[in-house]
Amino acid sequence: SAVISQKPSRDICQRGTSLTIQCQVDSQVTMMFWYRQQPGQSLTLIATANQGSEATYESGFVIDKFPISRPNLTFSTLTVSNMSPEDSSIYLCSVDAGNTGELFFGEGSRLTVL
Amino acid sequence: RKEVEQDPGPFNVPEGATVAFNCTYSNSASQSFFWYRQDCRKEPKLLMSVYSSGNEDGRFTAQLNRASQYISLLIRDSKLSDSATYLCVVKQGAQKLVFGQGTRLTINP
Repeated sequence: SAVISQKPSRDICQRGTSLTIQCQVDSQVTMMFWYRQQPGQSLTLIATANQGSEATYESGFVIDKFPISRPNLTFSTLTVSNMSPEDSSIYLCSVDAGNTGELFFGEGSRLTVL
Repeated sequence: RKEVEQDPGPFNVPEGATVAFNCTYSNSASQSFFWYRQDCRKEPKLLMSVYSSGNEDGRFTAQLNRASQYISLLIRDSKLSDSATYLCVVKQGAQKLVFGQGTRLTINP
């Protein structure tokens, strides 16, 4: 299993600003995943973050809007840039700690953009 | 067509009832399948993996029909604590998990 800490747990931000979400894992993992869960919706993968290389983004998500850092095997950040109300969502960090297909999730960062 | 489709519900059933959820997926090359549970305002957690032969974990039974690209979850003798959203999840390729929109279940006393 893996224990994942995310912060901030929630924030209210003004339109046009940027917010960086941090994700810390209690063990070394190769890949970290960033998901978004919009109100009443399921999870959508934003990108996969590998240590030492650029993140791989899913269709509909771009690096300029969601830059990701992965400086080591236990930590990653996701920035939501130039925010608009449509970015209001829960952002979740996850890892596949055992290569079993089971994902462990952080508690999520609930973002509200005014 | 969505990659993973579920009936969103909500399902409201009395305690002790049996309830079944269905899920269909579009990518016939998918190899791994899961049911996750998400409580209100919480992160998703793995409930059980779904194997080709079907599998059971206590009151929960999961089945897979590859020919029809269909996955099911059966909950017997439902408890109040089973109230949650149940997410059907399909693994595509080596790493990517695709989530269904979830089925909301409420167990009533």
